[in-house]
Amino acid sequence: EIVLTQSPATLSLSPGERGILSCRASQRVPSSYVAWYQQKPGQAPRPLIYGSATRASGVPDRFSGSGTGTDFTLTISRLEPEDFAVYFCQQYGSSPLTFGGGTKVDI
Amino acid sequence: QLQLQESGPRLVKPSETLSLTCTVSGDSINTNSYYWGWIRQSPVRGLEYIGSVFYSGTTYYSPSLNSRLSMSIDTSKNQFSLTLRSVTAADTAVYYCARVQGVVRPDWFDVWGQGVLVSVSS
Repeated sequence: EIVLTQSPATLSLSPGERGILSCRASQRVPSSYVAWYQQKPGQAPRPLIYGSATRASGVPDRFSGSGTGTDFTLTISRLEPEDFAVYFCQQYGSSPLTFGGGTKVDI
Repeated sequence: QLQLQESGPRLVKPSETLSLTCTVSGDSINTNSYYWGWIRQSPVRGLEYIGSVFYSGTTYYSPSLNSRLSMSIDTSKNQFSLTLRSVTAADTAVYYCARVQGVVRPDWFDVWGQGVLVSVSS
């Protein structure tokens, strides 16, 4: 199975700053089939990005995804107060589906 | 608006069977456009994919749970279910049901239930 490693574990930033989150796969993810989710305390994950770079419905354009092969990135261009949360990547290019361990974005 | 709601016992004894049902409202699950899946989350294991079921009954299971896992779908009730046998404390987690994008196979999860905490303890 493909193991996803996210870094950093914690990213301390201020509102208005840019956040860059990394997701590295243990082997190539076919077709760059990577999704990103945001999770706030007590809530289910919310999808942000699929297909490495396509925003899910209703996601603000300050969120963008990129990457191919084994290295994928989620960028938050200007952090809003509501963006402080935990972010997970997930690959669906190879069975079984797997998730990364998460990056916490805090103030 | 599509909504998913998990239901089932919150406490299960070790070696017994964990059973959860996901009730879907706002759309029919009798569709060839999506899979319907389960994910769990614990502090130790993080987010873990459990499996998915198609309206036809086709299933995909995580290899690590395959020997203990069964999933089914009841299109007449707009529900799908999870059964995990011989549970241990390691199966304690928040269990989420979700709609899964993908037609050929499960892909990513676009609508999630709120989740239910299931504890395994005597």
